[in-house]
Amino acid sequence: DAGVTQSPTHLIKTRGQQVTLRCSPKSGHDTVSWYQQALGQGPQFIFQYYEEEERQRGNFPDRFSGHQFPNYSSELNVNALLLGDSALYLCASSLYRVNEQFFGPGTRLTVL
Amino acid sequence: QKEVEQDPGPLSVPEGAIVSLNCTYSNSAFQYFMWYRQYSRKGPELLMYTYSSGNKEDGRFTAQVDKSSKYISLFIRDSQPSDSATYLCAMRKTSYDKVIFGPGTSLSVIP
Repeated sequence: DAGVTQSPTHLIKTRGQQVTLRCSPKSGHDTVSWYQQALGQGPQFIFQYYEEEERQRGNFPDRFSGHQFPNYSSELNVNALLLGDSALYLCASSLYRVNEQFFGPGTRLTVL
Repeated sequence: QKEVEQDPGPLSVPEGAIVSLNCTYSNSAFQYFMWYRQYSRKGPELLMYTYSSGNKEDGRFTAQVDKSSKYISLFIRDSQPSDSATYLCAMRKTSYDKVIFGPGTSLSVIP
């Protein structure tokens, strides 16, 4: 049983560019949450998707957007990249309204 | 004041020691309390979670929650070098609310 998978593993972009990160949830899970983890910090909640809708959002600007597909996989899009967007982006999956979340290995984004 | 505070360490202990990791929080609405372990360049792994106050034990790990003091702890008995990682406390108000993480404590267990 595959766990949460994310792609790509690493990504290097320049300021102003746009990026799309992808996540496939653990088999049987229907909810995907995205987090940003800066170096030396804990993960910060970006948003959560369930039934293809954004259900909750953290304190992130509109440059951060997402999507969930009918097969429950999800994408995170970041527009107009800033140097401060450099971080590890983590995807976590769960069953809706169930506490346990399982994290993927993350995508490390570097903005130059 | 941050919602969740955690001593970042680093914490270094000899193999076999008992390790105590702690977090404090400010929001009394938190009901679910989690501990995650994160190895370098990996995603966090859920170790255990507790609902409301009380203790929970799983093998060498014990989690404690004191809601009256807004204080949670993770104890690791007979620590092993493989326990060397960053430990993140996390909490949420409901089972589907956003999860708020502490900054993490870096632990090294020296053989």
